[in-house]
Amino acid sequence: QLQLQESGPGLVKPSETLSLTCTVSGGSISSSSYYWGWIRQPPGKGLEWIGSIYYSGSTYYNPSLKSRVTISVDTSKNQFSLKLSSVTAADTAVYYCARRGVYSPLDYWGQGTLVTVSS
Amino acid sequence: EIVLTQSPGTLSLSPGERATLSCRASQSVSSSYLAWYQQKPGQAPRLLIYGASSRATGIPDRFSGSGSGTDFTLTISRLEPEDFAVYYCQQYGSSPLLTFGGGTKVEIK
Repeated sequence: QLQLQESGPGLVKPSETLSLTCTVSGGSISSSSYYWGWIRQPPGKGLEWIGSIYYSGSTYYNPSLKSRVTISVDTSKNQFSLKLSSVTAADTAVYYCARRGVYSPLDYWGQGTLVTVSS
Repeated sequence: EIVLTQSPGTLSLSPGERATLSCRASQSVSSSYLAWYQQKPGQAPRLLIYGASSRATGIPDRFSGSGSGTDFTLTISRLEPEDFAVYYCQQYGSSPLLTFGGGTKVEIK
């Protein structure tokens, strides 16, 4: 059974960089034809797709966040990571990592981790 | 970018009643690559429906999806107590870019 687990600081200061890691177990992150992505949800609000990395290494970002987002993968650790720069209070949210196949929906999700941006 | 608009924002119903949730896309969703997710407080979203009408593994048959093009519907035939939650539609497909609808909350009347 595939499992995803987010990890990283729960508190980030304004203007700094938010960094999160998603560890994948029960399957290889190098498996062909999968996207590994990040989704966030501000408290009491809806879901926002942040971006994804394809198994080949190609990255795709939400146009509204593209200038601040970097997603990378570490196949040796079976992990992928999110970096969001120049954060503000508006970036406070629960951050989820998830997997989807090509022409497939998001079928596996992490439990989510709350990141608060505050000084 | 495809924008998804869900309605109503909140649906107040009693257990045993039928729930009908709508998701409208700003442009046609290719090959009905539309999914529905259920989210309960403090939990990650759970995939219910994909391909507009196919139930995901383990999803009860009281959940059904329909529609094509720009108009999609999620129907819960008879609400069980555990079905009161927030539901999101999402488009996916050949493009790696994803969008979600704003959600519909199904609450107990």
